[in-house]
Amino acid sequence: AQSVTQLGSHVSVSEGALVLLRCNYSSSVPPYLFWYVQYPNQGLQLLLKYTSAATLVKGINGFEAEFKKSETSFHLTKPSAHMSDAAEYFCVAPNGNNRLAFGKGNQVVVIP
Amino acid sequence: GAVVSQHPSWVICKSGTSVKIECRSLDFQATTMFWYRQFPKQSLMLMATSNEGSKATYEQGVEKDKFLINHASLTLSTLTVTSAHPEDSSFYICSALQGASGSPYEQYFGPGTRLTVT
Repeated sequence: AQSVTQLGSHVSVSEGALVLLRCNYSSSVPPYLFWYVQYPNQGLQLLLKYTSAATLVKGINGFEAEFKKSETSFHLTKPSAHMSDAAEYFCVAPNGNNRLAFGKGNQVVVIP
Repeated sequence: GAVVSQHPSWVICKSGTSVKIECRSLDFQATTMFWYRQFPKQSLMLMATSNEGSKATYEQGVEKDKFLINHASLTLSTLTVTSAHPEDSSFYICSALQGASGSPYEQYFGPGTRLTVT
């Protein structure tokens, strides 16, 4: 079964600084990988997805992620944090029978 | 496109009563829908998977008789929490797969329903 690891439940970043959220998958190379964002009391919104077509994936709101097979990683980055980026971020991978494996999430706090 | 709605967005009920939550795919047909539960500051926990016209598949540890799931059409799934207790208070999120016409594995999530049992 696939599992997804996100380290550091809380991530604090200064406004304008680099945002880096780490994600590692455990099993064989997944066909897809996703990053979702969740704002308080809301559902999940897709930020970006890896579909094997390209290792560097660009998403919404200036986020991008790079798939590295050698490191079993799919880290999420944004060059310059904005106050509106404060939210919970989940790295997600398919886990059989159409189910998804979720990382524990990163709560991003942006410091003015 | 690919919008999923939930109703109600929040509900307060008394202990012992039942509550129904609706999940609708507004602009696509959802072959498969999922129900998740999320505790504060935690990730999503899959409760069950439902396919239109068939019985839901529940995850280990989820009480089938307590959390009744019905997927009566390709655009509607319902979750009924029966004989609710305060420990059932949580944030419930549904999601849907678009099927053959959509992106594989990509689930579209509803906005969630906050249930508080008093």
